[in-house]
Parts: sequence; C-alpha cells; structure tokens
Amino acid sequence: DSGVTQTPKHLITATGQRVTLRCSPRSGDLSVYWYQQSLDQGLQFLIQYYNGEERAKGNILERFSAQQFPDLHSELNLSSLELGDSALYFCASSVDGGASTGELFFGEGSRLTVL
Amino acid sequence: QKEVEQDPGPLSVPEGAIVSLNCTYSNSAFQYFMWYRQYSRKGPELLMYTYSSGNKEDGRFTAQVDKSSKYISLFIRDSQPSDSATYLCAMSPQGGKLIFGQGTELSVKP
Repeated sequence: DSGVTQTPKHLITATGQRVTLRCSPRSGDLSVYWYQQSLDQGLQFLIQYYNGEERAKGNILERFSAQQFPDLHSELNLSSLELGDSALYFCASSVDGGASTGELFFGEGSRLTVL
Repeated sequence: QKEVEQDPGPLSVPEGAIVSLNCTYSNSAFQYFMWYRQYSRKGPELLMYTYSSGNKEDGRFTAQVDKSSKYISLFIRDSQPSDSATYLCAMSPQGGKLIFGQGTELSVKP
C-alpha cells in the first residue's frame, strides 16, 4: 500500500458527460501529480500541484482541469468526455515538488470507461 | 518522436534467465533515471533510482545509465515468476515530474 488513495476505482459514463476523480496523497506529501495511462500512449504526465499551486503542466487537454485543496487532496475534472478519454488515471504524490530522489508514490488508479 | 522510447515487448523468458530491459531518450537535460515496476491492476512502484551516469546494483537488479549514448538499462539476474510485471523507465531533468517510457511487459515462466 503506497498510502495514496484514489476514488473511484472504476467509473463508466457516456460521451459528453463530466466526471471528477479524487486523490488523497500520502501523509506529509505536498506534491500531487496526475498521469493518464492508455495502451497506446503509456503513462502520460498531465499536471503537477505543489502545496496548492500548479507546478508543471504536461499533455493535459483543455477539457480537463485539476486543483489541489488546502488539505492537499486533489481532484481531476474531465468534461465533454470522448471515447478516447477511456484510460487509467493515476495520482502520485511526493514529499516535495522537486522530488530529488525521484520517488513518486502512485495510487492504484481510477479506471474510466467512456461509452 | 517521443522523448523516451521503450520496447513494449511482450518479453517472455524461462525462470532463472537474465533479463535485459532498455530505454533510449532524446533530452540531454535528463539527470534522474528510474525504473518502476507495475503489477497488473496496480500503480507503478519504484524499483531502482540512478542519478546521472553509472551503475547501481540492488540484489538481483542492476541499473545502468550511459548518458553519452542516451541509453539506460535494467538487468534482472536469476529471474523469478514473481518478477512478471510491466517495467517502466522514467526520467526527469531536475526531479519532480517524470517522463515515462511505454513500459515493457515481462513474463517469467516457471
């Protein structure tokens, strides 16, 4: 158990809908990262937050948004869903934004299926 | 062209074999190099970490980084069925966000 909690574990929805994925980082970790994993693209970095502030942005679509709250949990909002958004969404956390050891602790992911 | 290239496999070996997994990369700014292991339906977990060039050994696992060739490797000695998983290389220029390879699916047959 990495200590990172993600909910829901599974989600099935229809095209055009909006969903929210939730992540609670490990106790004491200030940085949260969101990744998307699909069969053809592998693990793609979406966005990073550090202590409530956006730290880095990757290949995140405009239809997607995220935030980190004062209690450090984070939410990833996906809207106007398309079939291609079906994937595993991982949250990871680290002690600091620099993560000099390179260790990100990953949750078990939220599997999104868009029908 | 992707920043990090990794052969997705799948790779199947008999128990006890030596496994070699590799990644190439294009960004010369990468300084931190990692290998993560991902079991089915689980999140990735850190296996090995190397800063800059050189080798690092941990039990049956050895990580190598050759920055001049932009090439990293992971060797697994005396492979076990429990090593069956997807292995992902990951890199970062300065810590923080990691750029992952596509992952190599490894199966070790008893």
